[in-house]
Amino acid sequence: DVKVTQSSRYLVKRTGEKVFLECVQDMDHENMFWYRQDPGLGLRLIYFSYDVKMKEKGDIPEGYSVSREKKERFSLILESASTNQTSMYLCASINRGRGTEAFFGQGTRLTVV
Amino acid sequence: GDSVTQMEGPVTLSEEAFLTINCTYTATGYPSLFWYVQYPGEGLQLLLKATKADDKGSNKGFEATYRKETTSFHLEKGSVQVSDSAVYFCVITQGGSEKLVFGKGTKLTVNP
Repeated sequence: DVKVTQSSRYLVKRTGEKVFLECVQDMDHENMFWYRQDPGLGLRLIYFSYDVKMKEKGDIPEGYSVSREKKERFSLILESASTNQTSMYLCASINRGRGTEAFFGQGTRLTVV
Repeated sequence: GDSVTQMEGPVTLSEEAFLTINCTYTATGYPSLFWYVQYPGEGLQLLLKATKADDKGSNKGFEATYRKETTSFHLEKGSVQVSDSAVYFCVITQGGSEKLVFGKGTKLTVNP
């Protein structure tokens, strides 16, 4: 059974903390993505990676960075958490090719206080 | 840039009613089109897809047809069930890549 696993379902962090969100996939996919989901805004792309050590900014990269040292793992880093980063974070992986299916993790609900 | 516009919700229907959720898109190139669904408390999962003009995607009684001339991919189901209550996202691929562009989602509630 294919799987994308996010390290935490719920996180509460303080303003200014450095926060790490981890995502692991077991499908050998090249592409991995981080989105945030907010009510009324849908899913917005933060960063994506199309290969190990390769990354590109998405639509809302400010305040975030990413790391992909191994093919199966894609980490999202909040350098200094702020309250406006309170959100649901979703990781996805997709194989290369037209029309291929994206697989999503269960999401991490992050609250910054 | 590429974008997706889908009808705003929430949508509330009675069981066995007909469902349409409209979706139109703006894209450079020739995108693939998808509907993803998010059931309460669960992650997103693929509902159906279409990769070329006039293709019809179908799954679980849902259908959508890739209309290139109207840049649309409307989701339909003839008879909804309570178990169809979820948030539905219309999604396209961007610029020949695997990057996905999402609509804002439509929350569907089906009452018995």
